[in-house]
Amino acid sequence: DAMVIQNPRYQVTQFGKPVTLSCSQTLNHNVMYWYQQKSSQAPKLLFHYYDKDFNNEADTPDNFQSRRPNTSFCFLDIRSPGLGDAAMYLCATSRIDRENEQYFGPGTRLTVT
Amino acid sequence: SQQGEEDPQALSIQEGENATMNCSYKTSINNLQWYRQNSGRGLVHLILIRSNEREKHSGRLRVTLDTSKKSSSLLITASRAADTASYFCATSGAGNNRKLIWGLGTSLAVNP
Repeated sequence: DAMVIQNPRYQVTQFGKPVTLSCSQTLNHNVMYWYQQKSSQAPKLLFHYYDKDFNNEADTPDNFQSRRPNTSFCFLDIRSPGLGDAAMYLCATSRIDRENEQYFGPGTRLTVT
Repeated sequence: SQQGEEDPQALSIQEGENATMNCSYKTSINNLQWYRQNSGRGLVHLILIRSNEREKHSGRLRVTLDTSKKSSSLLITASRAADTASYFCATSGAGNNRKLIWGLGTSLAVNP
């Protein structure tokens, strides 16, 4: 089945230790998104790629970077995680010609110790 | 950024009852979407209603859209315990259809 996969599902990192979260998709969608979601809150868009075109949200901290080496994969790098970065990180995809219905992966729960 | 407001923030009902959640938004839209999120999981797209539509059905779901009031409602009929989840509305704007603007969500508990 076509889907969005995120690895790992749970990630524990130490304060200040870089961490990379990965997302892959078999839907061949041209847009990929990274969201941060804290408990009981709505997802907060960090950035998105339209094909290779990177779009950063104005309030996304510099501590967060992303890479999209090809259509199928997208990575979220957190260069120096702080305690406030503990959250669920959600990857989503969409086809630009399909009214922006978004397809989400299961998420990666990040814990910072 | 968040522009949607949903009410109620939390809703608790008995199995078999209907659940209604409301969403309001601020700017003009192309469409409005509803998503479900089970605890600790990703979001699942439920239904999309375009700005020129007033009502849409999908199984036990009924969505209405009132663009004059900038509001939408999601009705889940004959609820089941498995419907327990958070429900979010999201709007796709007229100017930029690559981003969704998310509501704050309604937490629904369906008690057996």
